[in-house]
Amino acid sequence: SQKIEQNSEALNIQEGKTATLTCNYTNYSPAYLQWYRQDPGRGPVFLLLIRENEKEKRKERLKVTFDTTLKQSLFHITASQPADSATYLCALVPNAGNMLTFGGGTRLMVKP
Amino acid sequence: EAGVTQSPTHLIKTRGQQATLRCSPISGHTSVYWYQQALGLGLQFLLWYDEGEERNRGNFPPRFSGRQFPNYSSELNVNALELEDSALYLCDSRRTGRGYTFGSGTRLTVV
Repeated sequence: SQKIEQNSEALNIQEGKTATLTCNYTNYSPAYLQWYRQDPGRGPVFLLLIRENEKEKRKERLKVTFDTTLKQSLFHITASQPADSATYLCALVPNAGNMLTFGGGTRLMVKP
Repeated sequence: EAGVTQSPTHLIKTRGQQATLRCSPISGHTSVYWYQQALGLGLQFLLWYDEGEERNRGNFPPRFSGRQFPNYSSELNVNALELEDSALYLCDSRRTGRGYTFGSGTRLTVV
């Protein structure tokens, strides 16, 4: 069956360090993968999109990698700040169809 | 441009009642997708409307239904509410190949 897995345990890091979040998937052929930020009680906010033929995408302090061989995406936040504390969701859009399927999210806590 | 708007922000209903939630997409977007996010769980796809038609639905019972109006706004109806329907209901409005824009959600509480 199709699965998208993110580390369900919270990630706690010190301010200024790089946070790395993982998204693994099985039985998917994603056309592209997206990362979202979600704050409690709010809707997800789009951060980055990476296509299947792209290895890496950057936006300011954010970097996403996409390895279709490993079936894995890594999401990095450099020089992390307490304001980066939130739940981060990865989502896949398959080659067939346009349904957005989400992982369970990883909660990031950045301590000052 | 105005974002995706959802109403109401909060809704409290009694078990067995019906709930109606509303979503207005970004101007020019014709598709609306609905999701349920129960506490501590990921977003689960509910329904997809495009050009006024239901295009796909997730693994939810028929008491979850909806419609899309000519102006592309959408309504989600949940009949015969159960306690486990308590969740944050989100809709998104999209343009193919780009990130999707979510509303702030409706927090439904069934008591």
